[in-house]
Amino acid sequence: SAVISQKPSRDICQRGTSLTIQCQVDSQVTMMFWYRQQPGQSLTLIATANQGSEATYESGFVIDKFPISRPNLTFSTLTVSNMSPEDSSIYLCSAISGLNTEAFFGQGTRLTVV
Amino acid sequence: GIQVEQSPPDLILQEGANSTLRCNFSDSVNNLQWFHQNPWGQLINLFYIPSGTKQNGRLSATTVATERYSLLYISSSQTTDSGVYFCAVEEAGTYKYIFGTGTRLKVLA
Repeated sequence: SAVISQKPSRDICQRGTSLTIQCQVDSQVTMMFWYRQQPGQSLTLIATANQGSEATYESGFVIDKFPISRPNLTFSTLTVSNMSPEDSSIYLCSAISGLNTEAFFGQGTRLTVV
Repeated sequence: GIQVEQSPPDLILQEGANSTLRCNFSDSVNNLQWFHQNPWGQLINLFYIPSGTKQNGRLSATTVATERYSLLYISSSQTTDSGVYFCAVEEAGTYKYIFGTGTRLKVLA
């Protein structure tokens, strides 16, 4: 299994600002992903974080709003840019180790935009 | 894309009761997982179960991939079982997990 640490665990931000969320995995993993969970909703995949190259975004998500980096096999960041109250959600990092395809998740970042 | 539906959407139980949660998916998948999201938002891995049956204490799960459904059984429920249960399926060939709609469980003392 993989242990995934996210920070910050929560934040309250002013609209128009940006927040960068960090995700650190305790071992080398094959795949890393970012999900969003809006209040009372299920999880929606934002993008696949690709090591050393641009992330692959799902329909409805764009790089200008959610820039993602993955400089190595164990670390990734997600930035939520030019935030509005509609961006208030839990953002979760996920990783798959490649031994099988079981997905593990960080504890999430609870973001409130005021 | 794959559609993943869970039922029931909400469930209230008395402590000690048993329950069955269902997950239906619309297309062939590589793998399926069940998660419990606790009140703090943490996703806890319950089962990694592409097919067959697994048991872990009071919980068990069965996936029938050919019929595109999975069941999660909770026996002798406890108040700590409260939270939201999600199934998630891995889209064939992508490593991406698509989450179901969730079942919100509340267990009353």
